[in-house]
Amino acid sequence: DAGITQSPRYKITETGRQVTLMCHQTWSHSYMFWYRQDLGHGLRLIYYSAAADITDKGEVPDGYVVSRSKTENFPLTLESATRSQTSVYFCASSNTGGSTEAFFGQGTRLTVV
Amino acid sequence: QKEVEQNSGPLSVPEGAIASLNCTYSDRGSQSFFWYRQYSGKSPELIMFIYSNGDKEDGRFTAQLNKASQYVSLLIRDSQPSDSATYLCAVRSGGSYIPTFGRGTSLIVHP
Repeated sequence: DAGITQSPRYKITETGRQVTLMCHQTWSHSYMFWYRQDLGHGLRLIYYSAAADITDKGEVPDGYVVSRSKTENFPLTLESATRSQTSVYFCASSNTGGSTEAFFGQGTRLTVV
Repeated sequence: QKEVEQNSGPLSVPEGAIASLNCTYSDRGSQSFFWYRQYSGKSPELIMFIYSNGDKEDGRFTAQLNKASQYVSLLIRDSQPSDSATYLCAVRSGGSYIPTFGRGTSLIVHP
């Protein structure tokens, strides 16, 4: 199916464990983004990528790692999960032509216990 | 730091009324402006985008942009209970493809 998909949709993990959230888009969009959304903070940018093998930090990158070996995939890894990383994570993608709006995946609700 | 400000609300309007949502931004170099709607437990979805000063209409929605005053607004005419959601304003600076989001305004349309 065309679009942007995230997996898993829900995840419960323990403090200190490594967890990877997956994001896959079928549009061949150049840009991909990871946001976290928390009450009172809105959407905050964690990392973004302008193309395969090009990534950069956003507003709140600490504790997260990303990679982008292929244009269509942009996984986000929490190296050692902490309770403060309990959040809803959204992946998004956008093109560099046309209206350039960001399209969002369904989100991953992560709980760190 | 680029900032996008929205009143968190909630904004409560009766069914059939006009809902007016406002957004201000700090970066004068901003060139693209987006309004997203987010239902509870769902992901944001684009409603409208606007690039030029003035009004842009799409059905019951009108986006208004005033770059001199650095604000963008969204009007929803004939508001329906199904319009109840959080509305996110996003701004993109010239030369950047990274949108900055406001915290969103919660809209409640009551019958």
